[in-house]
Amino acid sequence: QKEVEQNSGPLSVPEGAIASLNCTYSDRVSQSFFWYRQYSGKSPELIMSIYSNGDKEDGRFTAQLNKASQYVSLLIRDSQPSDSATYLCAVNRGGYSTLTFGKGTMLLVSP
Amino acid sequence: ETGVTQSPTHLIKTRGQQVTLRCSSQSGHNTVSWYQQALGQGPQFIFQYYREEENGRGNFPPRFSGLQFPNYSSELNVNALELDDSALYLCASSPQGREGNTGELFFGEGSRLTVL
Repeated sequence: QKEVEQNSGPLSVPEGAIASLNCTYSDRVSQSFFWYRQYSGKSPELIMSIYSNGDKEDGRFTAQLNKASQYVSLLIRDSQPSDSATYLCAVNRGGYSTLTFGKGTMLLVSP
Repeated sequence: ETGVTQSPTHLIKTRGQQVTLRCSSQSGHNTVSWYQQALGQGPQFIFQYYREEENGRGNFPPRFSGLQFPNYSSELNVNALELDDSALYLCASSPQGREGNTGELFFGEGSRLTVL
């Protein structure tokens, strides 16, 4: 079982729709969870972090964490073509800032 | 505030050669991590440096080595290059080391290495 699993996609949504990106992780002691956005040919950019169960909202982005189910998700409301990118889920066991990444989900937002 | 900077941005080497990649951490960040990202994959942890000492290492062979300098900048060295070393090498800095950090990493633009 891979440590962090994501559907590779592509996930295609029309402009204005809600995009839902999902991630599962295997290490139950994981404490910190992150979503990075990576445009083609560019480096990952941190867009959301979440540390406790529940929802965390930041603008059009909402991160959801369920530690019992070992599940993290990212919702993007009012999706824009500029949101088209690969979204990487990453987890951290705490203490040291060593992240384990999934392979990423490609999101395509069509005008 | 200056972000993480890496050099060179692109380079081409041949199998068996050696390469050195450089990274300047974001102002105020004392921890530097290096990741390798192959095409279509997520970044893979190579190692981390905190206050000039290696602070953790991923599943990479000893021919991958590094340094951190007193100003927190860092180098990644790869000896005896293999074709599979072709990847984007990412440097990331974070504001705290050892216990107590949040885990947030801030990446540079990366160095794309091609091994022929």
